[in-house]
Amino acid sequence: KNEVEQSPQNLTAQEGEFITINCSYSVGISALHWLQQHPGGGIVSLFMLSSGKKKHGRLIATINIQEKHSSLHITASHPRDSAVYICAVRRSGGSNYKLTFGKGTLLTVNP
Amino acid sequence: DGGITQSPKYLFRKEGQNVTLSCEQNLNHDAMYWYRQDPGQGLRLIYYSQIVNDFQKGDIAEGYSVSREKKESFPLTVTSAQKNPTAFYLCASTPRTGVNRDGYTFGSGTRLTVV
Repeated sequence: KNEVEQSPQNLTAQEGEFITINCSYSVGISALHWLQQHPGGGIVSLFMLSSGKKKHGRLIATINIQEKHSSLHITASHPRDSAVYICAVRRSGGSNYKLTFGKGTLLTVNP
Repeated sequence: DGGITQSPKYLFRKEGQNVTLSCEQNLNHDAMYWYRQDPGQGLRLIYYSQIVNDFQKGDIAEGYSVSREKKESFPLTVTSAQKNPTAFYLCASTPRTGVNRDGYTFGSGTRLTVV
């Protein structure tokens, strides 16, 4: 079983819909990252969380450390939000130099 | 603007040839990383470097080599010993390793195809 699991793998939405992408992990962590990868391949860091909730524009990220679960929400989705969204965790303890990545969620927002 | 530059964006090589992927950052970050991405899989760590003239193997280092002669540069060589070199390669950096509040900056990647 992967240490970081994302769901769903693929998500298609209509413009304006509220989107939720989930991430569950099985290891102790010091931080969780949400990343966005566009078709060209480059990755942009959206959020880094260690507790609670963060908001940036139409994007909201939450984390529940006890349940080892995080969600990324997109309000009023737009076609330009179409991308792969990746959850990655930074382990606590000795291996905290690296990130462990989920496989990503491919989001397509249709006009 | 500060960032990471990876070049080239697309690279084609014949089987058996070594190839070097470039990664340059102007963020003054201490730590740099190379990740590999395959379809349907999460990114996996190849090598990382915390400081100039020092680097460590990641999870999938076999068939790869790196150098860190300058703080700004962390080139990755894909050698002929790498059995499945065709992949998307991403370079990343952080201000320091092991500091939890430091965020990551990623490059735009190099797609390597070996024919």
